[in-house]
Amino acid sequence: IVLTQSPGTLSLSPGERASLSCRASQSVSNNYLAWYQQRPGQAPRLLIFGASARASGIPARFSGSGSGTDFTLTISRLEPEDFAVFYCQQYGSSPPTFGGGTKVEI
Amino acid sequence: EEQLLESEGGLVQPGGSLRLSCSASVFTFKNYAMGWVRQAPGKGLEWVSAISYGGGTTYYADSVKGRFTISRDNSNNTLSLHMNSLRVEDTAVYFCVRLTWGWLFDYWGRGALVTVSS
Repeated sequence: IVLTQSPGTLSLSPGERASLSCRASQSVSNNYLAWYQQRPGQAPRLLIFGASARASGIPARFSGSGSGTDFTLTISRLEPEDFAVFYCQQYGSSPPTFGGGTKVEI
Repeated sequence: EEQLLESEGGLVQPGGSLRLSCSASVFTFKNYAMGWVRQAPGKGLEWVSAISYGGGTTYYADSVKGRFTISRDNSNNTLSLHMNSLRVEDTAVYFCVRLTWGWLFDYWGRGALVTVSS
């Protein structure tokens, strides 16, 4: 399954709302769609799984939505530490695949 | 918090071999499938390989099949990736990952840089 993320780069200010899109080439089984955040020089960390469930310790300003082939990650009010690259991943079928990433920059 | 710590990567010539290892702590290693994900410099994420919790089943991306071998030692909480016939395009940071819900990567190591160059 090919995942296409848009936009490639999102330029926003702290306090603004961010909406990131992930579109799949075919329906994601069981809506097994995850989102990861990767800050510069760090490993990715799991934010959202099952399209909308927040992982342990993830702030409530992060939310996921969508089903089938269209998914969205929303950050309600950007904090300075949120500026990073975000990847979606489908884990409903093998092989697992990632989107190309969306960079959220100031 | 669950911890995964990869061994140092290194510089290897094309056609050469390298072994990465990953040490797990805090969680019960033998209860989880484990795997590797890589990231070429300035690029996105690519799943490489995975192994079942008991070690009896292994999985590989087409790009590394026949060249890489994944293994685990549950008595020592260690995951390994043996990489043979390395190519320039294998240059990447390799992350050790814990798997849950099938192919969901819920914990990541800090990564090990493998550089393939003459």
